[in-house]
Amino acid sequence: DSGVTQTPKHLITATGQRVTLRCSPRSGDLSVYWYQQSLDQGLQFLIHYYNGEERAKGNILERFSAQQFPDLHSELNLSSLELGDSALYFCASSVATNNRGYGYTFGSGTRLTVV
Amino acid sequence: AQSVTQPDIHITVSEGASLELRCNYSYGATPYLFWYVQSPGQGLQLLLKYFSGDTLVQGIKGFEAEFKRSQSSFNLRKPSVHWSDAAEYFCAVGARSGNTPLVFGKGTRLSVIA
Repeated sequence: DSGVTQTPKHLITATGQRVTLRCSPRSGDLSVYWYQQSLDQGLQFLIHYYNGEERAKGNILERFSAQQFPDLHSELNLSSLELGDSALYFCASSVATNNRGYGYTFGSGTRLTVV
Repeated sequence: AQSVTQPDIHITVSEGASLELRCNYSYGATPYLFWYVQSPGQGLQLLLKYFSGDTLVQGIKGFEAEFKRSQSSFNLRKPSVHWSDAAEYFCAVGARSGNTPLVFGKGTRLSVIA
């Protein structure tokens, strides 16, 4: 157990629907990162939050949004889902606001299947 | 912007044989460097990281990696592979300043045969 909790583990939904993925960071970590992993694109950075504030944005679609709450858990909202959104979505946490060499601790991911 | 190249998509080694997984990075200065491992259905687990100093870094599970500035490489090695090492391995690079997140290579899948 890495200490980073992601729910649900699996999600199957239809095109056009909206889903919410949840992440609880490791105790003491203030940064939450969201990554999308697909076979053809590898691990793609989506968004970074630190202590409730957005710090960096990657190739995140406008249909996707995220937030980090006062208790530091984060949610990734995916709407108007398309078949191509099927992927493994990872949350990672870190104690720092930037890299500082600590690395990230990853959750076990949410596998999203859009049918 | 930094980038990472893992030239080998898939490598097969025999159990007990040595292993080297290649990683090349592109970055204007010396970055932070990481190797992660992902077992099927699992998240990524940190194997080792390079901050500064000694260019040979020891990690968990008997892995080591060597940072070579002149070659912009950070190759992962293990002297004797076990069947349980079969997994996907990712190299990642991190900037030493700013909020740029870790950038990952596309991974190398390791298969271990008897």
